Amino acid sequence: SQQGEEDPQALSIQEGENATMNCSYKTSINNLQWYRQNSGRGLVHLILIRSNEREKHSGRLRVTLDTSKKSSSLLITASRAADTASYFCATDASGGGGSNYKLTFGKGTLLTVNP
Amino acid sequence: KAGVTQTPRYLIKTRGQQVTLSCSPISGHRSVSWYQQTPGQGLQFLFEYFSETQRNKGNFPGRFSGRQFSNSRSEMNVSTLELGDSALYLCASSWDSYNSPLHFGNGTRLTVT
Repeated sequence: SQQGEEDPQALSIQEGENATMNCSYKTSINNLQWYRQNSGRGLVHLILIRSNEREKHSGRLRVTLDTSKKSSSLLITASRAADTASYFCATDASGGGGSNYKLTFGKGTLLTVNP
Repeated sequence: KAGVTQTPRYLIKTRGQQVTLSCSPISGHRSVSWYQQTPGQGLQFLFEYFSETQRNKGNFPGRFSGRQFSNSRSEMNVSTLELGDSALYLCASSWDSYNSPLHFGNGTRLTVT
C-alpha cells in the first residue's frame, strides 16, 4: 500500500498564482521528500525535510511538515507554465541506510499551470 | 557531472520473452534502486543494490531480478513477460547516506504485446 498520499490528485491554476499540494502518510518517518516529474521523464528531487524540521524553503518552494498529523505540504509561489508536472511526495521510513532503506512514493498531484 | 543513464529508452517485447534493462549511476554513487511506474499502481519499489548486494526488495514476483556490478552499474531482468509488465522502469542512484535524495534516470518504457 502507498505510504504517502497526495491531495489533490489534479490542480489547474493560472500563471502567477500559488499552488499548494498536500501529502499524508501513515507511519513514522525519518524524512519526507518531494519530487517533480515531467511527462514520461524521470523524477527530479526538489526538497528533503527531516522529521525534526517543520519548514524548509528552496527558491519558490516552501515545504512544511507536521509529524503529529503525519502530513506535509508543498507550496509553489508565483507559478509558471514550466511548473506544469506531476509532484510526488516520498517517505523514508528506514532506520537510515540499512537493509530497509527505500522510498515509498504517493500517486502524485498533476499540476497544470495555464499561461 | 553526468546524470543517471538508462538504456534502452524504449523497448517492445512479446509475452513470454525476457528483457534486460541497464542503468549507469552518477559517478561515485554506490546505491542503485529500481522502480516500476504504471498509471494504475503509481511508483512501486522493485529493489535496491549497494556494493553489488541486494539490500532491499519490494513485493514483486521472482520473474523480476537484478544485479549490480563492481562499477555500480546495474541491470534488471524480467523473465516470462506478461502484458501487465508494461510500464516505465526507473532507475535511481544515491550516495546512500542517511537522508540522501535519489537521482533518477529518464527511464525505460517497456511495452509488452
